[in-house]
Amino acid sequence: GAGVSQTPSNKVTEKGKYVELRCDPISGHTALYWYRQSLGQGPEFLIYFQGTGAADDSGLPNDRFFAVRPEGSVSTLKIQRTERGDSAVYLCASSLGTDLSGNTIYFGEGSWLTVV
Amino acid sequence: SQQGEEDPQALSIQEGENATMNCSYKTSINNLQWYRQNSGRGLVHLILIRSNEREKHSGRLRVTLDTSKKSSSLLITASRAADTASYFCATPLWGAGGTSYGKLTFGQGTILTVHP
Repeated sequence: GAGVSQTPSNKVTEKGKYVELRCDPISGHTALYWYRQSLGQGPEFLIYFQGTGAADDSGLPNDRFFAVRPEGSVSTLKIQRTERGDSAVYLCASSLGTDLSGNTIYFGEGSWLTVV
Repeated sequence: SQQGEEDPQALSIQEGENATMNCSYKTSINNLQWYRQNSGRGLVHLILIRSNEREKHSGRLRVTLDTSKKSSSLLITASRAADTASYFCATPLWGAGGTSYGKLTFGQGTILTVHP
């Protein structure tokens, strides 16, 4: 596709349930990022992939959060045992390379997760 | 914690006026980037300024960087109602050799409202 695609755009789930959020990056982009944004705040880094491997997962808040990118393209962010505090917009982004002095990051429209 | 702090938190102006937003950061940087976000959804990359640059222009945007004060400003000239959005500064992690890695740290943003 022309841009970064995220599904679902909105998800309401009950506390304790499992959620998967999908990201389809721009074709050919080797770097993929996940950010989380709470209302009124700036995005916060969660994890980024270079190819299939997680190059930096230091932003994942705890072990309930996990992300995969098995074929170096589509990525899935998985949240187990969701809590109300997980409610946020989850933003995915991609770039041609990871050197951000020469590569622009392109963001998707986000997946709005509400845990009730 | 956020690397960047924007001020003001909110700015309301009339169409045709100029809008200035400021960003301060804490650590050394390789470059600083400005993003725009409409309605809490996807972010759009506006402009990147490198640490050895003092000023950069792109259309109606003018960005300055003062590394001695660890601050940057974004000026939007001749504002339009369509400029209404949130604006964020962001700095990437960087390492040896001047390479900027994919982990961006965002400020909390400035909400700009331009009245027709």
